[in-house]
Amino acid sequence: GAVVSQHPSWVICKSGTSVKIECRSLDFQATTMFWYRQFPKQSLMLMATSNEGSKATYEQGVEKDKFLINHASLTLSTLTVTSAHPEDSSFYICSAPFPVSGGTEAFFGQGTRLTVV
Amino acid sequence: AQSVTQLDSQVPVFEEAPVELRCNYSSSVSVYLFWYVQYPNQGLQLLLKYLSGSTLVKGINGFEAEFNKSQTSFHLRKPSVHISDTAEYFCAVSYDKVIFGPGTSLSVIP
Repeated sequence: GAVVSQHPSWVICKSGTSVKIECRSLDFQATTMFWYRQFPKQSLMLMATSNEGSKATYEQGVEKDKFLINHASLTLSTLTVTSAHPEDSSFYICSAPFPVSGGTEAFFGQGTRLTVV
Repeated sequence: AQSVTQLDSQVPVFEEAPVELRCNYSSSVSVYLFWYVQYPNQGLQLLLKYLSGSTLVKGINGFEAEFNKSQTSFHLRKPSVHISDTAEYFCAVSYDKVIFGPGTSLSVIP
């Protein structure tokens, strides 16, 4: 099956600094990738759709200037949390769609746990 | 737009007993359906998926689910649970993007 790799798996940063999270499709090309955020004991909420070669599409309520998304190649999307604050501490996970028999399946990265202190 | 409802936020069940986790979805178009499991402090693991074909799908770890189009449901079942099944379970629907339900916390009691 397709593999999506996310890096780093965890990161601790100081309040006010920026953090970049990478999402790579290792053995396939992904023109679209998705970024989710999960707070403790909650579900995964879609933050934005990353589009290769064009601007990302953000879900309602997600700050575009705070969560910068870049999809510079067909195998890499990055999420940068700018001027991070403790309330941004969360589990961030990316996914990429891949055609499989019968339809399309989303393959997920292993997630990045961000802690802002 | 698509949405997913998981009516049971928490399901306690004794070891070796059967369990059913309910999932209902809403969509104006045909969608794909998935169940994922998340163990504490870990990422997502795909349990099973319905893309097309047979409405009864079997997944890993002895789980199965049945797609019911008329009831817009995709309930997850296991005939006999183990302690190791204790985890968070998410039902998800996919059209152009994956939308997750709120999750059901399954606690298996020894």
